[in-house]
Formats: sequence, C-alpha cells, structure tokens
Amino acid sequence: EDQVTQSPEALRLQEGESSSLNCSYTVSGLRGLFWYRQDPGKGPDFLFTLYSAGEEKEKERLKATLTKKESFLHITAPKPEDSATYLCASGGNSGYALNFGKGTSLLVTP
Amino acid sequence: EAQVTQNPRYLITVTGKKLTVTCSQNMNHEYMSWYRQDPGLGLRQIYYSMNVEVTDKGDVPEGYKVSRKEKRNFPLILESPSPNQTSLYFCASSFGSLNEQFFGPGTRLTVL
Repeated sequence: EDQVTQSPEALRLQEGESSSLNCSYTVSGLRGLFWYRQDPGKGPDFLFTLYSAGEEKEKERLKATLTKKESFLHITAPKPEDSATYLCASGGNSGYALNFGKGTSLLVTP
Repeated sequence: EAQVTQNPRYLITVTGKKLTVTCSQNMNHEYMSWYRQDPGLGLRQIYYSMNVEVTDKGDVPEGYKVSRKEKRNFPLILESPSPNQTSLYFCASSFGSLNEQFFGPGTRLTVL
C-alpha cells in the first residue's frame, strides 16, 4: 500500500534558523512528489512537483529535493510569514489517486 | 479570476438528511478531486475524476457519491450523513493528476 510519512509533526524555529522537513514515501512507481503549503482554515497552495530522484526545485526561501525514498523541503533563513502546515503528497502507479502525508506544522517566531 | 468554488462553506445538518456539496472550477481542468481533512489524519482523498463521466474511488469513499456530468462541476453527495462524516471538505482541480492542484476554500460540515 502506498504511504507517505512526514516528519516532524511540528517544528518551531527562530527567524533566520534554517531547517528541513522530511517526507518519506513507499510508492510503487512514483510518478510525482508534491509539496503544498496550507494556512489555517484555507485550502492548500501548490509549491513544487518533483518527478525523479535527484531533482531539485527552489522558490524564494524554499528548496525541495527528491531521492528514491524521501523528499526534503529545506527552509533557508525562515521568516514568520513562512509559518504554515506543509503537506507532501505522492502519485504512484496505482491509478490517478494522490496520497497526502499528515503534514508538518511549522511555526517561525521573530 | 481562476478559481475553485465550493458551496456551502459551512453546513450543520442531522443524521440521515441527504445533502450535496457543490464544486465548480473555471479553468477547464480535466482532473477534479474531493478530500476530507481531519485532525491527526491529514488530507484524505474521497473520490476523483479524470474527466467527464469518469470517476474513481480514493482512500475513503464509503458513504459518499460523486458525479461528473459536466467538466466544470463535481458535486459531492452524502445520501445518509452520519456523525463520523463531520469534517472539513476540500475540492480541487488540475489539468491532470500530476499537475498543480487548485483547491477550493473548503466546506466545514457538522453532522449531529
């Protein structure tokens, strides 16, 4: 069964303190690995799609990387406005379904 | 403005009273999907649709029905709601399952 596991569940950082969020996946035939950001009470907003191991994508202070077993979302010098829940999702060979992890809740304090 | 709309945004109902949550997108997307989000369980896919008249079950389809008669609309139907269907529901759309999904604002459903 396809599974996506995110860690840690919650992370508290000081402004400027860089860190990484982890997304481990067990998916038969990964077709895409997705990262979304979700603010409280709102729908998720798309960040990145990664398709193959070794791929990297960047956007402002965020950088997503992918290996054959996991993906990392690196946050460099975070600001309080980066506080949100970050969701990882996978699309595999089992049709067109998408599998979301439970998310990492990030709090960045001034 | 490109968007996914859901109605209603908030709904309180009673066990067994049939309800429909509507979802509409104006981006000509082929792929549409319904999710429910619960504390500690994350976002779980209920049903998805690859195109008009083509739908399939996600992880948690029990107690739900969907239809896709038009490309822009993908309603979620609860024939006989139960309290365990109390949740926050999101509709999403994209050009394909591997493309960026656009999410609606959510529908908070309470079944008493």
